[in-house]
Amino acid sequence: DQQVKQNSPSLSVQEGRISILNCDYTNSMFDYFLWYKKYPAEGPTFLISISSIKDKNEDGRFTVFLNKSAKHLSLHIVPSQPGDSAVYFCAASASMNRDDKIIFGKGTRLHILP
Amino acid sequence: DAGVIQSPRHEVTEMGQEVTLRCKPISGHNSLFWYRQTMMRGLELLIYFNNNVPIDDSGMPEDRFSAKMPNASFSTLKIQPSEPRDSAVYFCASSQRQSGRARDTQYFGPGTRLTVL
Repeated sequence: DQQVKQNSPSLSVQEGRISILNCDYTNSMFDYFLWYKKYPAEGPTFLISISSIKDKNEDGRFTVFLNKSAKHLSLHIVPSQPGDSAVYFCAASASMNRDDKIIFGKGTRLHILP
Repeated sequence: DAGVIQSPRHEVTEMGQEVTLRCKPISGHNSLFWYRQTMMRGLELLIYFNNNVPIDDSGMPEDRFSAKMPNASFSTLKIQPSEPRDSAVYFCASSQRQSGRARDTQYFGPGTRLTVL
């Protein structure tokens, strides 16, 4: 069973508007969350992360919001640019496991429309 | 600085053949991960090593899959015999695990696209 769920396989957003990518998780032990971005024929690259002690983390145009009670996080991209077209993976880890294991969702393909 | 290197980039083989995927992690990194990406299951962890020692292989699908890390700069993922359902993109990633920090950024290679006919 998927512990990290990205229920939208794809999303299309007009250039300049806000892109919101959603992610839900089921394991309450998860306390660290990440977003990775992937272009075709390349490996995923780290984008932004958030610890469970925070509810928001911002890095330039990218902001991640965490709602622990709802077991939900979202990635906001403002404003959206053509180069943001990619697959975005949500991922999570649990520090109690004392390992480096992170669990990925299936990804959401973001299309930025001109 | 070279990133994670994987070879081959593409592999087409016939069912029943042995397939070996190779990975060179970033120099100085002490954790190495093998992932498989499919449409159905997304990006799933197969196995990971820390200081060349396999730590968790619970994601390895079957005995047909095996992975080794003979030294800090090289790892292989072997499938023997291969089956059509093994067709996927296989990624290798590495990270520098620091004491007390289990969330170090993983750096991914470009992947190997495997097609088993």
